[in-house]
Amino acid sequence: KNEVEQSPQNLTAQEGEFITINCSYSVGISALHWLQQHPGGGIVSLFMLSSGKKKHGRLIATINIQEKHSSLHITASHPRDSAVYICAVSLISGGGADGLTFGKGTHLIIQP
Amino acid sequence: GAVVSQHPSRVICKSGTSVKIECRSLDFQATTMFWYRQFPKQSLMLMATSNEGSKATYEQGVEKDKFLINHASLTLSTLTVTSAHPEDSSFYICSVRGFGNTIYFGEGSWLTVV
Repeated sequence: KNEVEQSPQNLTAQEGEFITINCSYSVGISALHWLQQHPGGGIVSLFMLSSGKKKHGRLIATINIQEKHSSLHITASHPRDSAVYICAVSLISGGGADGLTFGKGTHLIIQP
Repeated sequence: GAVVSQHPSRVICKSGTSVKIECRSLDFQATTMFWYRQFPKQSLMLMATSNEGSKATYEQGVEKDKFLINHASLTLSTLTVTSAHPEDSSFYICSVRGFGNTIYFGEGSWLTVV
């Protein structure tokens, strides 16, 4: 059974700080996704990674396939970055279903 | 603009009644859609994979007779919670895989059973 572990569970930081959220998983995957969930529930896909590194604005996501680990970084954090960040993986062999397996999320609060 | 539209966003129903949630793919045809459920402070959990023109594939522990899924067209999947109970109160959300395997989520539906 694949487990997706995220850390930290909760993170409060000051505006401008560099933020790192980590994700580890236990089995082979075809892709890893970083998602952002706002208080109303809506979910936005930030990145999909199968190797290396991706950057979009102030967000950077990296993945190390050998170590089964990924990180999401936020540079120059802002209060509007406050949300739940979720790591999710697509398995290599879905066993019939091809949906995602999710981590529990990291609750991020950026204080002004 | 939204790629996947989900409706209703919030619904309250009485215990024992049924409620239908719709998930529409607006920008492309989707032979497969996914339905997830999220209880408060818990992870999203895959409930079922909705397959256009055929039966849905349910995850272990999800009652297919209680959570009816219909994927009658390439742009619409519906989830019907039958004989709803208060423990079915949850956040339900659908997703679609788009071009390049990008995942698009609906806005989600908050279900409260009273």
